[in-house]
Amino acid sequence: GENVEQHPSTLSVQEGDSAVIKCTYSDSASNYFPWYKQELGKRPQLIIDIRSNVGEKKDQRIAVTLNKTAKHFSLHITETQPEDSAVYFCAALPTSHSGYALNFGKGTSLLVTP
Amino acid sequence: AAGVIQSPRHLIKEKRETATLKCYPIPRHDTVYWYQQGPGQDPQFLISFYEKMQSDKGSIPDRFSAQQFSDYHSELNMSSLELGDSALYFCASSLRAGPTFFGQGTRLTVV
Repeated sequence: GENVEQHPSTLSVQEGDSAVIKCTYSDSASNYFPWYKQELGKRPQLIIDIRSNVGEKKDQRIAVTLNKTAKHFSLHITETQPEDSAVYFCAALPTSHSGYALNFGKGTSLLVTP
Repeated sequence: AAGVIQSPRHLIKEKRETATLKCYPIPRHDTVYWYQQGPGQDPQFLISFYEKMQSDKGSIPDRFSAQQFSDYHSELNMSSLELGDSALYFCASSLRAGPTFFGQGTRLTVV
């Protein structure tokens, strides 16, 4: 099945700096890659996603890049703010079976210090 | 906009008891998913339904079962609860291969 690896597991940055989280996936047929932000005890919230026919997508301070050849995708957060502190999960949607359940990475705990 | 609604938000059960979690997906979403998330872990896929039929199965224990009803709400039934079942349980929904949105979760504590 699909295996998603995510790095780093923890990331600490100063407010205003950029943060980058990287993920790799194993199933070359995967075609949808969302990112979720989860605050402690709350639901995962979809913050941005990208499909395999696009190389980059941006939404204000957040961007995602996808390299299909290398099977990796990255989340970029610019001008980080303390409220960006949370756990971020990447995910991939495998297409090798009938369902559409996401496979998640292990998460990155991002801490933005003022 | 309407979101995924889960109930109850919190549940405390004793070992060997049963629990039923409910989920109302976003209107017009045709796929419902159940995930289990332990402390400090990523969400683990349990089971999904497409148009009220089970479509995929993940790491769901045999003690758990789920179904989706004619009004599209779904229930996760958990029997013979164990301490290790304590976790956050999320329901999520999507329109087939579209973006997946999560409910607020049910925090289950087994004592």
